[in-house]
Amino acid sequence: DGGITQSPKYLFRKEGQNVTLSCEQNLNHDAMYWYRQDPGQGLRLIYYSQIVNDFQKGDIAEGYSVSREKKESFPLTVTSAQKNPTAFYLCAIGTGGSPLHFGNGTRLTVT
Amino acid sequence: GENVEQHPSTLSVQEGDSAVIKCTYSDSASNYFPWYKQELGKGPQLIIDIRSNVGEKKDQRIAVTLNKTAKHFSLHITETQPEDSAVYFCAAKGTSYDKVIFGPGTSLSVIP
Repeated sequence: DGGITQSPKYLFRKEGQNVTLSCEQNLNHDAMYWYRQDPGQGLRLIYYSQIVNDFQKGDIAEGYSVSREKKESFPLTVTSAQKNPTAFYLCAIGTGGSPLHFGNGTRLTVT
Repeated sequence: GENVEQHPSTLSVQEGDSAVIKCTYSDSASNYFPWYKQELGKGPQLIIDIRSNVGEKKDQRIAVTLNKTAKHFSLHITETQPEDSAVYFCAAKGTSYDKVIFGPGTSLSVIP
């Protein structure tokens, strides 16, 4: 979506490697979110941040880490501790706990 | 915590017909109900939302209704077009928790 850039679109990694997914926004929103989407399922919240230098765990934070050093950026690291990392990852911005705009996602495949 | 159910999981309609997707929620404190449309290979897009002080909201061919007593809300798409084909997600949010909870999605196919 305009203003939210997720990169790369496709990412392949070997099992046991950490990988970082990028999310950048230029819409000046304070709140940013990371969701995971698996086939046929809804969106599950991994982490969210409502302000710079602060973030909270979502429903499925185990095996993931984030940072929020800048308002524009909210990178997600998928660690080797995540047992089923292959999924479609979506970054969003919003307000009051509600995502308003999503990026176009990164499809991560771990083999 | 909040739980959102959504039906049907798949829906096929002829072009020009109407489509209705229904959701239920469990937390009576929920007061905000957004709907998202996700096209293949893209992120979801917020298409309409409704707050608990309103029973119905329309935006061109799309409308959402809310029944707080029954804890139901529905998306209505009239005069469907092929470009309406997508996965639609309902969601709910309340004052007791600070994030939206998504339903599992409905895959809508509009047959030309």
